[in-house]
Amino acid sequence: KQEVTQIPAALSVPEGENLVLNCSFTDSAIYNLQWFRQDPGKGLTSLLLIQSSQREQTSGRLNASLDKSSGRSTLYIAASQPGDSATYLCAVSYSSASKIIFGSGTRLSIRP
Amino acid sequence: EAGVAQSPRYKIIEKRQSVAFWCNPISGHATLYWYQQILGQGPKLLIQFQNNGVVDDSQLPKDRFSAERLKGVDSTLKIQPAKLEDSAVYLCASLLGSAYNEQFFGPGTRLTVL
Repeated sequence: KQEVTQIPAALSVPEGENLVLNCSFTDSAIYNLQWFRQDPGKGLTSLLLIQSSQREQTSGRLNASLDKSSGRSTLYIAASQPGDSATYLCAVSYSSASKIIFGSGTRLSIRP
Repeated sequence: EAGVAQSPRYKIIEKRQSVAFWCNPISGHATLYWYQQILGQGPKLLIQFQNNGVVDDSQLPKDRFSAERLKGVDSTLKIQPAKLEDSAVYLCASLLGSAYNEQFFGPGTRLTVL
């Protein structure tokens, strides 16, 4: 069964810290992997998309890495800010235009 | 470019009532998805359309849920009759069909069944 797991489920850190969110997936034959952000009561915002042939993607203070062989991805957030507080979802797909399989998310809180 | 539109944003109904949600994808996007997100969980696919044809509805509870995309553009998702466990956010997403499989999500409809 294709599953995505995110640990921890919740994380609270003081402002300014660098942090890492973890994602693991059971079937390593992924097509791509995405990290999303979800604010309370809102839809999903795509942060980074990594194709299966890539090892990492960067956008501003965010860096996502992908290790297909071990079935893992990490999202690194540098110099965290209170505005980064949200739920971060990891998701994988196994072919073009196929459904996305989501993890349960990590609820991140950045304390001022 | 306008995003994915969904309505209503919120809906409260009693169990055994019926409800319908509407989604208008990004113009030109051939693929449309409906996901259900229960509180504290990640979204789960209910149904996927390619133009007006169903590609995947394996996780749609067909005894009470139905969806259509008659002209290959906007779509409706219906629940009849609703159960307490249907309380969730219903997300619509669309995809142009590029090789990247980057789906764009609407704001969702939050359904509360009392």
